[in-house]
Amino acid sequence: GENVEQHPSTLSVQEGDSAVIKCTYSDSASNYFPWYKQELGKRPQLIIDIRSNVGEKKDQRIAVTLNKTAKHFSLHITETQPEDSAVYFCAARDDKIIFGKGTRLHILP
Amino acid sequence: DTGVSQNPRHKITKRGQNVTFRCDPISEHNRLYWYRQTLGQGPEFLTYFQNEAQLEKSRLLSDRFSAERPKGSFSTLEIQRTEQGDSAMYLCASSLAGRGSGNTIYFGEGSWLTVV
Repeated sequence: GENVEQHPSTLSVQEGDSAVIKCTYSDSASNYFPWYKQELGKRPQLIIDIRSNVGEKKDQRIAVTLNKTAKHFSLHITETQPEDSAVYFCAARDDKIIFGKGTRLHILP
Repeated sequence: DTGVSQNPRHKITKRGQNVTFRCDPISEHNRLYWYRQTLGQGPEFLTYFQNEAQLEKSRLLSDRFSAERPKGSFSTLEIQRTEQGDSAMYLCASSLAGRGSGNTIYFGEGSWLTVV
């Protein structure tokens, strides 16, 4: 079955610096790759997604890149701010969505 | 319609009891998903429906778990003979699947289950 690996599990960056989270997936048929942000005690919320016919997508300070050949995709957050502190999940597939285990991002003052 | 609604939000039950959670998806969404999340982990897929048809159920899912979506709208997730290991947050999500819809899934607030 589909498997999604995510790393690092924890990431601390200085406010204003960039953060990068990486994921790999196993099912070559996967064609949809969303990223979710989850704050403590709240539901996961979609922050950006990318389809397999696109290599990169950007939305303000957030960008996602996809390498279908290597079956990996990454989330890039630039100019990090305190409110970016949360757990981030990558996911893959199209019918059922399979999630990675998450990355806890800490933005240091 | 303000989004995916789940109830109860919190449930404490004694081991061995049955519990049922309800999910009301976004009204026009044809797909409905159930996930389980424990502390420090990502959402774990349990099952999903397209309209009233249950299309897939996780192989990891015990036969104590059953889900229904009888009219293709709301869904229920029942856990029979609960065990302490069932303690988790149960997340429901919905999406509009079809050409051009992107299959973005939207989560509810979750139902917290504590088995004592």
